[in-house]
Amino acid sequence: DSGVTQTPKHLITATGQRVTLRCSPRSGDLSVYWYQQSLDQGLQFLIQYYNGEERAKGNILERFSAQQFPDLHSELNLSSLELGDSALYFCASSAWSGAGSTEAFFGQGTRLTVV
Amino acid sequence: GEDVEQSLFLSVREGDSSVINCTYTDSSSTYLYWYKQEPGAGLQLLTYIFSNMDMKQDQRLTVLLNKKDKHLSLRIADTQTGDSAIYFCAQKIDNAGNMLTFGGGTRLMVKP
Repeated sequence: DSGVTQTPKHLITATGQRVTLRCSPRSGDLSVYWYQQSLDQGLQFLIQYYNGEERAKGNILERFSAQQFPDLHSELNLSSLELGDSALYFCASSAWSGAGSTEAFFGQGTRLTVV
Repeated sequence: GEDVEQSLFLSVREGDSSVINCTYTDSSSTYLYWYKQEPGAGLQLLTYIFSNMDMKQDQRLTVLLNKKDKHLSLRIADTQTGDSAIYFCAQKIDNAGNMLTFGGGTRLMVKP
């Protein structure tokens, strides 16, 4: 168990809908990352938050947004869903302090299926 | 560029050593990681190596880094059927963020 909790584990929704994925980081970790794993794109970094503020942005679509709350949990919002958004969405957390490296620990993922 | 490349598939016999290879393009990588993903599961951090190191050993795992050739390898000694999984290498570059760039993963199949 990595200590990172993601809910729900599975989500099935229709095209055009909006969903929210939730992530609770490991206790004490200030950084949260979102990744998308799909068959055609592999593992792609979407976005990072550190202590409530957006820190880095990757290949995140404009239809997607995220936020990190004061209690450090994070939500990834996916809207106007398309079939191609079907993927496994991972959340990871790290203690990142800006100096050196800290390991990123991944949650079990949320499998999103858009039908 | 930030590409990370891995071979798609590796098959070994139980008890043999497995060597999974990875090449990366960005010479400013600071840390390189190996993650394991079992079917239906998340990503499990196996080990990582700092870019100023050549080798790191952790029980059955040995990581070798050739920074000149931008080549990273993961050797698993005495491979077991429970090691069957997809192995991802990833690089981290100390820029504004701390995100990882992953390779496409190598599927390791261990035959009894």
